[in-house]
Amino acid sequence: GAGVSQSPRYKVAKRGQDVALRCDPISGHVSLFWYQQALGQGPEFLTYFQNEAQLDKSGLPSDRFFAERPEGSVSTLKIQRTQQEDSAVYLCASSLGLLAGGGDTQYFGPGTRLTVL
Amino acid sequence: AQKVTQAQTEISVVEKEDVTLDCVYETRDTTYYLFWYKQPPSGELVFLIRRNSFDEQNEISGRYSWNFQKSTSSFNFTITASQVVDSAVYFCALSVWGAQKLVFGQGTRLTINP
Repeated sequence: GAGVSQSPRYKVAKRGQDVALRCDPISGHVSLFWYQQALGQGPEFLTYFQNEAQLDKSGLPSDRFFAERPEGSVSTLKIQRTQQEDSAVYLCASSLGLLAGGGDTQYFGPGTRLTVL
Repeated sequence: AQKVTQAQTEISVVEKEDVTLDCVYETRDTTYYLFWYKQPPSGELVFLIRRNSFDEQNEISGRYSWNFQKSTSSFNFTITASQVVDSAVYFCALSVWGAQKLVFGQGTRLTINP
């Protein structure tokens, strides 16, 4: 079956521009996650949705970052007024969400590489 | 707070050698889950294994094996008879009951030379 897809795969933005990154999770997956991966580092958690509800946004680095999943399927991560430090790979993951307390296996998309000039 | 440490930044071996990637984790929770992911040059994280904190049985899958030891808070990964296709960055990750997010280590870049 189809895995997690993300678009665009690459995005170049001028500092100060707004960007929107899209994630299509695996069909039927209840949980959706966004992570940020800086060059040479491990992914870092940004936010988590269960269906359309954003249950954890503790990892969002500033109020310039905003995520939504209005119909409980596709999700968009928006970054306003981009800064050079926002340059990273943004990874989306989804999981079945069967375990109420967590621990489900997360399956990752290919990521969007954002470069802010 | 949770933490995952992968002390080996880079490892380089010759094909057919065995190699072990170390992972040490920190958590005060009694229920938690450990994962290994592979990130090839294409960039996509590929799931390899999931273990829960109550199952300390070692696991073998083909050339891959995992050694989970709660006494030392370690979850090490061994590749037997390594192949060039095993070259990638490998990440160890932890999640705890009640928090869905994964906490990743810094990763180990493994290079298998022909």
